[in-house]
Amino acid sequence: GDSVTQMEGPVTLSEEAFLTINCTYTATGYPSLFWYVQYPGEGLQLLLKATKADDKGSNKGFEATYRKETTSFHLEKGSVQVSDSAVYFCAAGNNRKLIWGLGTSLAVNP
Amino acid sequence: DAGITQSPRHKVTETGTPVTLRCHQTENHRYMYWYRQDPGHGLRLIHYSYGVKDTDKGEVSDGYSVSRSKTEDFLLTLESATSSQTSVYFCAISPGQNSGNTIYFGEGSWLTVV
Repeated sequence: GDSVTQMEGPVTLSEEAFLTINCTYTATGYPSLFWYVQYPGEGLQLLLKATKADDKGSNKGFEATYRKETTSFHLEKGSVQVSDSAVYFCAAGNNRKLIWGLGTSLAVNP
Repeated sequence: DAGITQSPRHKVTETGTPVTLRCHQTENHRYMYWYRQDPGHGLRLIHYSYGVKDTDKGEVSDGYSVSRSKTEDFLLTLESATSSQTSVYFCAISPGQNSGNTIYFGEGSWLTVV
């Protein structure tokens, strides 16, 4: 069945470090791909998305490119900040529902 | 702000009692969802709705029922709460394929069953 696998956390980085969180998916057809972010005590917020192969989603310095050949949608940011500390979820969407990864916790130290 | 209001935001209830969580949207979106979030399990879909009075089960629907009598409201009921239903519950909405299946979340309802 459809599934999303993302790297396990927690990930701990120093401020201004480069961030990569890996995400791969297994899905029929051409799903839309998403990254959501969840800050403590809050709901999930859409961070970025891509709806077709080779599309790049970007927002707040984060980027991810829809790679159909590798079925991946890795999240990257060139220079993380303390305020980026949160849990990041990768998801693939098809037919009205999303398939979710388990989330990756990121802690950024000053 | 996605225009989603969940109530109550926090509730403590006793085992065996019925509990209803309410989700209200102001976006007039067709699709509404109830998820639960638990450590080690991520997000799991309980039920979803694709229109008024049209609902379907998700992956963890046992012990839960839903109703949608108006576009803006989607109710989740625990008929007889159990400790395993202690969780954070999130409502979500989506306009559907026109948005590339993007969904938007409410702020969550923390439920503790003692």
